[in-house]
Amino acid sequence: IVLTQSPATLSLSPGERASLSCRASQSVSSKLAWYQQKPGQSPRLLIYDASNRATGIPARFSGSGSGTDFTLTISSLEPEDFAVYYCQQRDNWGFTFGPGTKVDIK
Amino acid sequence: EVQLVESGGGLIQPGGSLRLSCAASGFTVSTNYMIWVRQAPGKGLEWVSIIYSGGSTYYADSVKGRFTISKDSSKNTVYLQMNSLRAEDTAVYYCARLYYYDSSGLDFWGQGTLVTVSS
Repeated sequence: IVLTQSPATLSLSPGERASLSCRASQSVSSKLAWYQQKPGQSPRLLIYDASNRATGIPARFSGSGSGTDFTLTISSLEPEDFAVYYCQQRDNWGFTFGPGTKVDIK
Repeated sequence: EVQLVESGGGLIQPGGSLRLSCAASGFTVSTNYMIWVRQAPGKGLEWVSIIYSGGSTYYADSVKGRFTISKDSSKNTVYLQMNSLRAEDTAVYYCARLYYYDSSGLDFWGQGTLVTVSS
């Protein structure tokens, strides 16, 4: 299963709303997660199973979708949210990550 | 507190072997699904391997037949044995825990260990 993320780069200002897309080449049901990664750091789980926020993740992060089309929404960007975001699916044999979306400061 | 600490990375010549370790604390690896993920310099994340709580293992096509994942419950540690290393295996290798057996999310990650394959 191939994951495609768009856009590759999203340039926004603090306080703006961010919508990141992840599309799967075939249905993954709701087995999709989202991660945030900052330079020099390990990835951090934000959303699992398409729409469940991980422990300690602020409410401004939300996930939606099922099947092949998924969206990560950040309702109002905080300065610490500028980072790279990856989606990831799980199937019966393993995992696949998308290429990432970089959210940078406009 | 859950913690994962990888070790064993370093500089290795093409064709060589290396064993990575991932020491867990705050939970038991024997009852969890454990994963290795790698990230080449400046690139995205790539899944490498998974070991189920029952011992079943799966691998990415890029490493199948060369890498072996295993675990030692007495040491609460997961390993990745890497043989026939290639330049394209150069990456930071992370171990991570699957949130629960039926989940998609990897909830805890180590800090990573760098493997450089070069002559």
